Amino acid sequence: EVQLVESGGGLVQPGRSLRLSCTASGVTFDDYAMHWVRQAPGKGLEWVSGISWNSGTIGYADSVKGRFTISRDNAKNSLYLQMNSLRAEDTALYYCVKGGDPTGNYKAPCDYWGQGTLVTVSS
Amino acid sequence: EIVLTQSPGTLSLSPGERATLSCRASQSVNSNYLAWYQQKPGQAPRLLIYGASNRATGIPDRFSGSGSGTDFTLTISRLEPEDFALYYCQQYGRSPFTFGPGTKVDIK
Repeated sequence: EVQLVESGGGLVQPGRSLRLSCTASGVTFDDYAMHWVRQAPGKGLEWVSGISWNSGTIGYADSVKGRFTISRDNAKNSLYLQMNSLRAEDTALYYCVKGGDPTGNYKAPCDYWGQGTLVTVSS
Repeated sequence: EIVLTQSPGTLSLSPGERATLSCRASQSVNSNYLAWYQQKPGQAPRLLIYGASNRATGIPDRFSGSGSGTDFTLTISRLEPEDFALYYCQQYGRSPFTFGPGTKVDIK
């Protein structure tokens, strides 16, 4: 069974940084692209960033480009999101999501989701 | 960026009825890389449809997807009580991969 467990969320002041982590199990991690998707309280889904199996292709939403950095460590079955210069509008539940293409294609639907880690940006 | 518009915002139906949800893209979606997700309160989203018309593993056949280019549809042939939820479409053909604002299917 595929499991994705996020960690690293919490309360942080505007302008500060936070690093999210996601550990995967039950899957050959380095076969698949991975993504971060967030959901502000009471709002819809927003794709934040994605990374191909070998980190060769990376993309970001315009709202986080230049502030957030996605990375992965296939040896540790782990995905990361470094979030700098945080703003109030970054407050959301951040989901770690697995891409659904076993060739590692970055362009793939999101077939497994973690339960999310909550990030609150407030002074 | 490709903007997705979903309609209607809310769909009020009774169990056993047919639900038709629309997703329209501001530009053509590459290779029909269009997915549908279901989300219930307090839960993570679940993948229903990918590639515009392919059911994900374990999804009942009352769920079907259709469409191409800029116009896509999710149909639930006969609503079951567990189908009342939020539904999102997403395009993953061109980065940034974007979601629609969602359609809520609630009980009439």
